[in-house]
Amino acid sequence: DIQMTQSPSTLSASVGDRVTITCRASQSITSWLAWYQQKPGKAPKLLIYDASSLQSGVPSRFSGSGSGTEFTLTISSLQPDDFATYYCQQYNSNWYTFGQGTKLEIK
Amino acid sequence: EVQLVQSGAEVKKPGESLKISCKGSGYSFSIYWIAWVRQMPGKGLEWIGIIYPGDSDTRYSPSFQGQVTISADKSITTAYLQWSSLKASDTAMYYCARLKGNIENYPLDYWGQGTLLTVSS
Repeated sequence: DIQMTQSPSTLSASVGDRVTITCRASQSITSWLAWYQQKPGKAPKLLIYDASSLQSGVPSRFSGSGSGTEFTLTISSLQPDDFATYYCQQYNSNWYTFGQGTKLEIK
Repeated sequence: EVQLVQSGAEVKKPGESLKISCKGSGYSFSIYWIAWVRQMPGKGLEWIGIIYPGDSDTRYSPSFQGQVTISADKSITTAYLQWSSLKASDTAMYYCARLKGNIENYPLDYWGQGTLLTVSS
């Protein structure tokens, strides 16, 4: 199995802050990585795919980078709507594992 | 508009069987893989498996192999997740989602609303 490890598990930040979440894979997944946002009681929403491609309709303050085993999700200027839990997911192998999630909280 | 609509919440007893559904519309159902994802209460997302409705090719996560069965009926654009004997530990929200492309290496771009399963004696 490919293990995905996110850090931090919890992140406290303020509106307007720039924040970065990291995701590490236990082996190379080239660029087969996605980021999702999930709000309480809702299904996840695709933000970034192929490590750095912005899903249609997602604000440009979200960006992704990385390849191989280390990836980042950056939100350039936090908005009130961005406080949620974020998951990375690899889709390199037959079973597409998720990271454990990063909860982004209001400071 | 692409939509995945899941069946409603279920309350079952241990040992009972269950089949939940996910109906796709607004796209060519047969040529996009459908995934099932589990989210236990207060926990993260877990990959269960995927199915290609066109030929019912199915892949399971090792953690779920033998525990659930994924199927699809392309004639009614519906995918299913079923259990033959439920356990309390199956209590979770279950999501179906569509893979963004028509081969396996794609993320999940459309999600159902989720089906909440509660298993309790």
